[in-house]
Amino acid sequence: GESVGLHLPTLSVQEGDNSIINCAYSNSASDYFIWYKQESGKGPQFIIDIRSNMDKRQGQRVTVLLNKTVKHLSLQIAATQPGDSAVYFCAETGPGRRALTFGSGTRLQVQP
Amino acid sequence: DAGVIQSPRHEVTEMGQEVTLRCKPISGHNSLFWYRQTMMRGLELLIYFNNNVPIDDSGMPEDRFSAKMPNASFSTLKIQPSEPRDSAVYFCASSSRGLTEAFFGQGTRLTVV
Repeated sequence: GESVGLHLPTLSVQEGDNSIINCAYSNSASDYFIWYKQESGKGPQFIIDIRSNMDKRQGQRVTVLLNKTVKHLSLQIAATQPGDSAVYFCAETGPGRRALTFGSGTRLQVQP
Repeated sequence: DAGVIQSPRHEVTEMGQEVTLRCKPISGHNSLFWYRQTMMRGLELLIYFNNNVPIDDSGMPEDRFSAKMPNASFSTLKIQPSEPRDSAVYFCASSSRGLTEAFFGQGTRLTVV
């Protein structure tokens, strides 16, 4: 079946380093992708999105890269800060679909 | 804006009891979503309303689950009767642009014992 981000790995980085969080998706028809950040005890918070007609989009300290050939999405966080510690989810959807499909998430731990 | 407001934040109930979760979406948003989050299954969409009308309820697990949106500023998710396997965090989210940029509430942590 369709799936996004099958694993929940943990990424541990030093404060100030750059972080790269990866996500794989399986539906080649998906055309819209979102990264969410979820801190402990809170709901997911929108970070950045990208449509399939783009392969890169930048925000404040974050960059999302989309490789449709291999159905891969990544979130890059520059100069990672302790406040970036959270679980990060990718989500995707496509034509005719009414729901976002969420990945299982990646836990980012920032070491001071 | 206060964001999406959910109540209660925590609910502990006994198996067989009725549980009602409440959500106030962001003013002006015309789409509302109920999600359930568990360690085993992650975030799952239960139901999606657009302009107060249920559009897709295919994610509602059983007839024990029902959701209503009587007006643009209020929605409920009801479980009757509740079972231990319903224990999860239930999130409400709203959006002004359908499935894009959904804003989530703080969630209701439900424990059924």
